[in-house]
Amino acid sequence: DQQVKQNSPSLSVQEGRISILNCDYTNSMFDYFLWYKKYPAEGPTFLISISSIKDKNEDGRFTVFLNKSAKHLSLHIVPSQPGDSAVYFCAASAWGAQKLVFGQGTRLTINP
Amino acid sequence: GAGVSQSPSNKVTEKGKDVELRCDPISGHTALYWYRQSLGQGLEFLIYFQGNSAPDKSGLPSDRFSAERTGGSVSTLTIQRTQQEDSAVYLCASSLVSRSSGNTIYFGEGSWLTVV
Repeated sequence: DQQVKQNSPSLSVQEGRISILNCDYTNSMFDYFLWYKKYPAEGPTFLISISSIKDKNEDGRFTVFLNKSAKHLSLHIVPSQPGDSAVYFCAASAWGAQKLVFGQGTRLTINP
Repeated sequence: GAGVSQSPSNKVTEKGKDVELRCDPISGHTALYWYRQSLGQGLEFLIYFQGNSAPDKSGLPSDRFSAERTGGSVSTLTIQRTQQEDSAVYLCASSLVSRSSGNTIYFGEGSWLTVV
């Protein structure tokens, strides 16, 4: 039972353009969502989060959008840079809950 | 260091041997997690510790897997009679759990286990 789904295993974007990574969830109890970035041979690093009381959270080049009615969130990176090439995981939990449930990840490649 | 520390960073073991993986969480963090990522897969939850509460072991794949957390800090994940399908990177994470805020967890670099 995959409660958090990232349907695109990979995405290729030209440098300077916008990267959009998508994530869907099925559990209506989820109300806190996060994005992590993972380089090869390293642990995932926290990128940005959003709670269900918001529909948008922005941090520099990174913006996360949440559509609760559609149970969908997305991460926008603009402008995309070569250093953004990594695997991106979305994760979800219930507010104040313990474990995070992760998606399968999307490998983003930024082409020069 | 300030981050989550894991050891060993790499381990190659023969099938059937036992292995122990160690995690030192961020100082002051009350919650500790173990996840694993097999080749080409996502992050799979294994076990969670929070303070003195009973651990959430719901993600452990078999009874060959066990974990303990001593003194509310360092944790050891033990895999007995390792199998080739246990080959993965084992990721430890910690967090400061609050009932009034979302739970952001911070990962270590991982322990890469290869069973041959």
